[in-house]
Parts: sequence; C-alpha cells; structure tokens
Amino acid sequence: GAVVSQHPSWVICKSGTSVKIECRSLDFQATTMFWYRQFPKQSLMLMATSNEGSKATYEQGVEKDKFLINHASLTLSTLTVTSAHPEDSSFYICSAPLRQGAYNEQFFGPGTRLTVL
Amino acid sequence: GEDVEQSLFLSVREGDSSVINCTYTDSSSTYLYWYKQEPGAGLQLLTYIFSNMDMKQDQRLTVLLNKKDKHLSLRIADTQTGDSAIYFCAEAGMNRDDKIIFGKGTRLHILP
Repeated sequence: GAVVSQHPSWVICKSGTSVKIECRSLDFQATTMFWYRQFPKQSLMLMATSNEGSKATYEQGVEKDKFLINHASLTLSTLTVTSAHPEDSSFYICSAPLRQGAYNEQFFGPGTRLTVL
Repeated sequence: GEDVEQSLFLSVREGDSSVINCTYTDSSSTYLYWYKQEPGAGLQLLTYIFSNMDMKQDQRLTVLLNKKDKHLSLRIADTQTGDSAIYFCAEAGMNRDDKIIFGKGTRLHILP
C-alpha cells in the first residue's frame, strides 16, 4: 500500500519554542492531508484539513495561530506548533487519502510524539 | 454533528472470538472502518465496509453492519496475543471531503 511518513518521530522541546512536524506522502500525491491529535488512551481528534495551495481548514476549537499548517507541495504538509506549552504535549498523526477504486483510502503516518517541558 | 461511540475495554481469552461493537450517528455515513493501533504506533487499517453492504469477511475478521440501527461490529475469530491493541471504529461520508470521525477506541486485552 501507499506510505505516509512523518518526521520527526519524537521531539522534546522547551516551553515557548516552536516545533515543526512534517508529513510526506512517499509514493503518491495528496492535495489534501489531515492532521490529528491523540491524547493518551484517547481517540484521534481531527485538528485540521491541509489543502495544497490554499489555506488549511481548522476544526472547531483548534487555534489556527497556534497550529500553523502549510501544504506547500503535493507530497508535503507541515504542522508547526508555535510557542509550545506542556499542554501541547501529545501524539500528532497525519493522514493522506489515495483513491482506491470507488473510494478514498486514508493512509496514516506513524505519528510524532511531542513532549514540551 | 457526527459521533462514533464504542466501549472502551474488552477482555477475551486466547482462542475465543472477540466482538467489538460501535454505533454512529450520521445516517449519511458512506464508509465505515476498523483501525488497529498497537502501543506507541500509528494506525493500521484492518478492514472497511461500504454502507450498502451488511457483511464483510476477511480471514479472521468479520464486519457486520446494521445500517438501520447505525451499528457496526468487528469479530475477530481465534483471538491471539498479537491481537492485543486498541481498535478504532471510524466513519466517513461522501460529502465530508474524506474527513474521518473516530470513536474513542476499544482496548482489547487477551487473557492466557
């Protein structure tokens, strides 16, 4: 199947710094990618839809100035957590859809664990 | 809005069948999925079913869909220790730009 990678797989940063997480579709192009956040022992919460060449669409309650999304090419979306605080510590997962016959299958990245000290 | 509910925990003896249940609210749901997440790992798509189907079988996995009741289940036959993971039920609709809504996940624990 198609592969989606994320970099880094884990990152530890100090409070107040910004962290960039990359999501790449390795063998297919994706005009849309999705960013999720997962708290320990909880489900994935959709944060935003990343749109190539245009602004991201954020879900209700997600601060767009806090979580900056850039979809600069058909294979790369980045999520920047600005001025990170301990409450931003979480597991961030991206996904990209690929047309498979009659429907779009979502391929998920392996996730990035962010720890803010 | 869309919502997906599932029980949080299931404990099953090795060799028995596991049945994980899920309910959803959006009647326009078109695709229903089961994902598996092992500790510290990303999501693995186990299987999916279109809303116009009522059953799908794939080796040890059987998915049953009751569209009238908006109820989805995943049966794992002959449960093994390697099946220990969190299983997420998820749904997507044709008109929601591929957005997938996840349940909170069911943690499957295998007893020896």
